[in-house]
Amino acid sequence: SQTIHQWPATLVQPVGSPLSLECTVEGTSNPNLYWYRQAAGRGLQLLFYSVGIGQISSEVPQNLSASRPQDRQFILSSKKLLLSDSGFYLCAWSAGQKLTDTQYFGPGTRLTVL
Amino acid sequence: KNEVEQSPQNLTAQEGEFITINCSYSVGISALHWLQQHPGGGIVSLFMLSSGKKKHGRLIATINIQEKHSSLHITASHPRDSAVYICAGQGGSEKLVFGKGTKLTVNP
Repeated sequence: SQTIHQWPATLVQPVGSPLSLECTVEGTSNPNLYWYRQAAGRGLQLLFYSVGIGQISSEVPQNLSASRPQDRQFILSSKKLLLSDSGFYLCAWSAGQKLTDTQYFGPGTRLTVL
Repeated sequence: KNEVEQSPQNLTAQEGEFITINCSYSVGISALHWLQQHPGGGIVSLFMLSSGKKKHGRLIATINIQEKHSSLHITASHPRDSAVYICAGQGGSEKLVFGKGTKLTVNP
């Protein structure tokens, strides 16, 4: 069966510090991978998605970046965090060649930037 | 204005009550998803539907494509159903557009 892992579960970082969140998927090959952010009081917002190794699409301009160094690994990064980067970050995966399939979410990382 | 609107924002019910959460969308979609977010933050996909009705246990989801409206129903609600329920539309770009969620609290 497929599983999706995210770490860390919680993170408190000072403004201006770097960020690296990792997401890995097991039990499937060539998944579509997604990074979402859920800010307080707001809905989920798609940040990045990837349909293959090294292929990243950015949905919202910001100081975050994403990379997919391996088939089942998706990393969200920032060189300098802003207060507005605080939120709940969710990684998700879906199967198939299109983005229309059901998405399966990881447990999430709660990031607080102070 | 958000392309996907949910109502109500908050809903409190007594155990056993029948619950309806509504979702309307302003753009054409190819599919609509219902998700459940538990208090700890984890999200579970409940349904994906593009027409008609789907049922899973005590949960029923319906969609009316012409009226651009979907509903999630919970029969015989239970405190463990307490969660945030999110609908998301999948449009021409195939990426999901999310509603802000409905926070459901079921009291014993």
